[in-house]
Amino acid sequence: GQSLEQPSEVTAVEGAIVQINCTYQTSGFYGLSWYQQHDGGAPTFLSYNALDGLEETGRFSSFLSRSDSYGYLLLQELQMKDSASYFCAVEDSGYALNFGKGTSLLVTP
Amino acid sequence: DGGITQSPKYLFRKEGQNVTLSCEQNLNHDAMYWYRQDPGQGLRLIYYSQIVNDFQKGDIAEGYSVSREKKESFPLTVTSAQKNPTAFYLCASRGQGVSSYNSPLHFGNGTRLTVT
Repeated sequence: GQSLEQPSEVTAVEGAIVQINCTYQTSGFYGLSWYQQHDGGAPTFLSYNALDGLEETGRFSSFLSRSDSYGYLLLQELQMKDSASYFCAVEDSGYALNFGKGTSLLVTP
Repeated sequence: DGGITQSPKYLFRKEGQNVTLSCEQNLNHDAMYWYRQDPGQGLRLIYYSQIVNDFQKGDIAEGYSVSREKKESFPLTVTSAQKNPTAFYLCASRGQGVSSYNSPLHFGNGTRLTVT
């Protein structure tokens, strides 16, 4: 079986930094991805880590530790528009992504 | 512009009726996917297809059927056997060729199905 765990809700202040953690248990592993979804909308790709370490894309960074089966998404200089749900997803077979239940991020003024 | 089109955006059906959700992509992607999203449940994989005329069951395929007769199209039928069909359905595609696993998923805007 497989499972992904991430916090259900996180609240942070505009301009702050927030970290969303994801731990996973899978039979195989090809990489960890992060997606953002605004209410009622389509999920959009944020980042992908296949190897250990930090990947940076603008205000967003993603980290992976394969030995710990752990990753996180780091959002810096939070803006109101960052209020959304964030999903980690594991590629465990090379054919399809399996998603966590998502973390709802609320950015407050 | 390239993308994925799902139609309709909202769909209402009576219990016991089959309903087909449309998904079309013009990204020339080989792989296509159907996910179901319920509140607090994240995205759960229903079916996926790596190439034309081939598809595989995901984690929650019971009560659903698909076809992949064309590369661009991957319709999902929600049958009367699906016990709890009311949900938000998302279609996605990615990559070209067999090494598409590290390519990001591109999602359509979804179809919200309500069955009463």
